[in-house]
Amino acid sequence: AQSVAQPEDQVNVAEGNPLTVKCTYSVSGNPYLFWYVQYPNRGLQFLLKYITGDNLVKGSYGFEAEFNKSQTSFHLKKPSALVSDSALYFCAVTGDTGRRALTFGSGTRLQVQP
Amino acid sequence: EADIYQTPRYLVIGTGKKITLECSQTMGHDKMYWYQQDPGMELHLIHYSYGVNSTEKGDLSSESTVSRIRTEHFPLTLESARPSHTSQYLCASSVTGGTEAFFGQGTRLTVV
Repeated sequence: AQSVAQPEDQVNVAEGNPLTVKCTYSVSGNPYLFWYVQYPNRGLQFLLKYITGDNLVKGSYGFEAEFNKSQTSFHLKKPSALVSDSALYFCAVTGDTGRRALTFGSGTRLQVQP
Repeated sequence: EADIYQTPRYLVIGTGKKITLECSQTMGHDKMYWYQQDPGMELHLIHYSYGVNSTEKGDLSSESTVSRIRTEHFPLTLESARPSHTSQYLCASSVTGGTEAFFGQGTRLTVV
């Protein structure tokens, strides 16, 4: 079985400050890891992914994430938060073997205060 | 913009009615998914298909059924809607091999 944990229901950060949204995972085989963002009454938008290679991956809107195999983590980061970054963020995992579905974490609400 | 479409966007229907939520993608993706999500809450996988005529139930038990007769089409059917089915239903597709999934805009279902 595969699973994703997002330990924080909500993260609050001031505009201009760095932000981190945490994600840990469990999967057999090599992981494929993803971050998505959801704005109210919308579907999910893809931000970035880790498949292989560099542990630091860069994505849309200035977001990046660091893959840490030993800690089984894939935290989402941004050096300087914007008010417009306020949304619901989901981490997701699938594995590189078998017919795997995409498993999502419970989501973290990011609130950026002006 | 991703080429995956869900209809209708919003649906209000009475208890006991049969409904079908449509999902189509034009990207030739082999995998398709249905997720159920209450507003602002986590996504629960309810159905999954990895190709034509291949479907599996997801982690969350659901009274809905799906079919995958064509690669591009993955409809979800509720034979008899109940208020407990009120939720948002999100369809997604991807290609096998680590690419990201693309999501439709969702169908917000209300059963009264």
